[in-house]
Amino acid sequence: SQQGEEDPQALSIQEGENATMNCSYKTSINNLQWYRQNSGRGLVHLILIRSNEREKHSGRLRVTLDTSKKSSSLLITASRAADTASYFCATDAGGSYIPTFGRGTSLIVHP
Amino acid sequence: GAGVSQSPSNKVTEKGKDVELRCDPISGHTALYWYRQSLGQGLEFLIYFQGNSAPDKSGLPSDRFSAERTGGSVSTLTIQRTQQEDSAVYLCASSSIGGVNTEAFFGQGTRLTVV
Repeated sequence: SQQGEEDPQALSIQEGENATMNCSYKTSINNLQWYRQNSGRGLVHLILIRSNEREKHSGRLRVTLDTSKKSSSLLITASRAADTASYFCATDAGGSYIPTFGRGTSLIVHP
Repeated sequence: GAGVSQSPSNKVTEKGKDVELRCDPISGHTALYWYRQSLGQGLEFLIYFQGNSAPDKSGLPSDRFSAERTGGSVSTLTIQRTQQEDSAVYLCASSSIGGVNTEAFFGQGTRLTVV
């Protein structure tokens, strides 16, 4: 089964609104990453958060990590139509060198 | 090139034929991963190469799947006797040292359709 599971599976919002998506995982991790995928092709790295960090920012992105709840959230503020994409979290379950991805959240931002 | 390159971009093949998918990682990256993604699904790990170490093949779904990485650079994923359930996008990624503590760079994938 997937180590990381994103929810919601799909999210539809208006431009300018904030979008929040969550990732839950089962076993302890050292690092968690968020990726974005446009049109079912290559993934692009967004942000990395380490297990000893609680929050990171990058532009309009804010990522939080709660290791006690084994969950992370990705917040996109002031969304734009160009943010329409699928978003995936990737974790290193048990210190594995193999990033394990969830099924992703499909975000649609309406202009 | 500046990024990870995969070829072909699209491949349509008849059931039972063999296919080869190619990945050119970023120069100097020691870690290389293959994943596949079925329509609307997440990424399914297939195989991991790290430097000169023996590859981690634990994700390969059957013995029809194999992969090699020559000279620590280019990798080829081979699917023998393709089946319709092999239809998916096959994604290759490379990173400088491997693991989730560093960014993985993905190619644009090969969309494989088995008819």
